[in-house]
Amino acid sequence: EDQVTQSPEALRLQEGESSSLNCSYTVSGLRGLFWYRQDPGKGPEFLFTLYSAGEEKEKERLKATLTKKESFLHITAPKPEDSATYLCAVQTTGTASKLTFGTGTRLQVTL
Amino acid sequence: GAVVSQHPSWVICKSGTSVKIECRSLDFQATTMFWYRQFPKQSLMLMATSNEGSKATYEQGVEKDKFLINHASLTLSTLTVTSAHPEDSSFYICSARAKIGVLSYNEQFFGPGTRLTVL
Repeated sequence: EDQVTQSPEALRLQEGESSSLNCSYTVSGLRGLFWYRQDPGKGPEFLFTLYSAGEEKEKERLKATLTKKESFLHITAPKPEDSATYLCAVQTTGTASKLTFGTGTRLQVTL
Repeated sequence: GAVVSQHPSWVICKSGTSVKIECRSLDFQATTMFWYRQFPKQSLMLMATSNEGSKATYEQGVEKDKFLINHASLTLSTLTVTSAHPEDSSFYICSARAKIGVLSYNEQFFGPGTRLTVL
């Protein structure tokens, strides 16, 4: 069974304090790994797709990386507006377009 | 681009009534649409996958007679919660895979969600 585990469950950072969120996965065959941001009471907002080990993608203060077992979302010099829940999801070769989500990391960035 | 809307954004209904939620892709055609349910402080759980013009595929444990899905066009899917009960209260979110020209994109773009409260 495909499994996606995110850590930590919650993270509190001060503004400017860089850190990383982890998404580890156990799947039969990875087709793609997706990162989303979700604000309270809203739907997830697409951030990145990673397809192969070694791939990296960046957007503003966020950088996503992928290995054969896990993905990291690095947040550099975060701002309060980066506060949200960050969700990781995997798509496997045997399940067509279906996404399996992790439970997310709730990030709070304070002044 | 890749905007998905949902209507209504919230609904309160009495137990036993049916509620319909619409999901629209506004600026692209959606080859496939998905319906998720999310309970407080939990992640998204896929309920069903629907392709335009064909029957939805439901995940294990999801009652297809209770959660009716219609995907009548490439831009519209509806979820009807029939004979709703308090335990059906949840946040329902749809998503869509984009088809632009001959390209089908892997990413799912999500709607803003619908908060259903059944009294």
